[in-house]
Amino acid sequence: GDSVTQMEGPVTLSEEAFLTINCTYTATGYPSLFWYVQYPGEGLQLLLKATKADDKGSNKGFEATYRKETTSFHLEKGSVQVSDSAVYFCALSPSMFSGGYNKLIFGAGTRLAVHP
Amino acid sequence: GAVVSQHPSWVICKSGTSVKIECRSLDFQATTMFWYRQFPKQSLMLMATSNEGSKATYEQGVEKDKFLINHASLTLSTLTVTSAHPEDSSFYICSARGSGYTGELFFGEGSRLTVL
Repeated sequence: GDSVTQMEGPVTLSEEAFLTINCTYTATGYPSLFWYVQYPGEGLQLLLKATKADDKGSNKGFEATYRKETTSFHLEKGSVQVSDSAVYFCALSPSMFSGGYNKLIFGAGTRLAVHP
Repeated sequence: GAVVSQHPSWVICKSGTSVKIECRSLDFQATTMFWYRQFPKQSLMLMATSNEGSKATYEQGVEKDKFLINHASLTLSTLTVTSAHPEDSSFYICSARGSGYTGELFFGEGSRLTVL
């Protein structure tokens, strides 16, 4: 079945460091891909998304490119801030119909801790 | 953005008792709500999809008689864990999608259940 694998955390970085969180997926057809972020004490929030191959999602300095050839959707940010400390979830939606926002299959989440 | 609130945020109960978790959409009408379960260091797993005014659709392997879901209004869905056992201890998260279909899911903060 469809699945998402993301790198285990925690990831600990100094402020202004470069961030990469790897995410790979297994799916039939053409899934939509997402990154969600969960700040302490809050619900998951959509960070960015991509609905087709080679699309690049971006938001708040984060970006991820939908790579069908490598079945990957790695999250990157050039310079992290302390405020980026959170848990990041990679997810896919198996359905392309209606933009693919029905069921979501999540990775295990990666905790990021950024120190001053 | 839209707000989804869960209550309680954490609950401890004795084995054999039932526990109800509420999920409310505070500033929009949610025609569809999703319930997820998350084990430590694991992915969020979709348990069921509930549509307002109709029976919930459960994922394979989820006991519908144990996890009762009610979506009686456009702003409230409840998950009742019946005859709880220690293995039901987990983090339960709800998400909601509005009737206007913005293509985005909004998540609650999650509810941690501990069964003694």
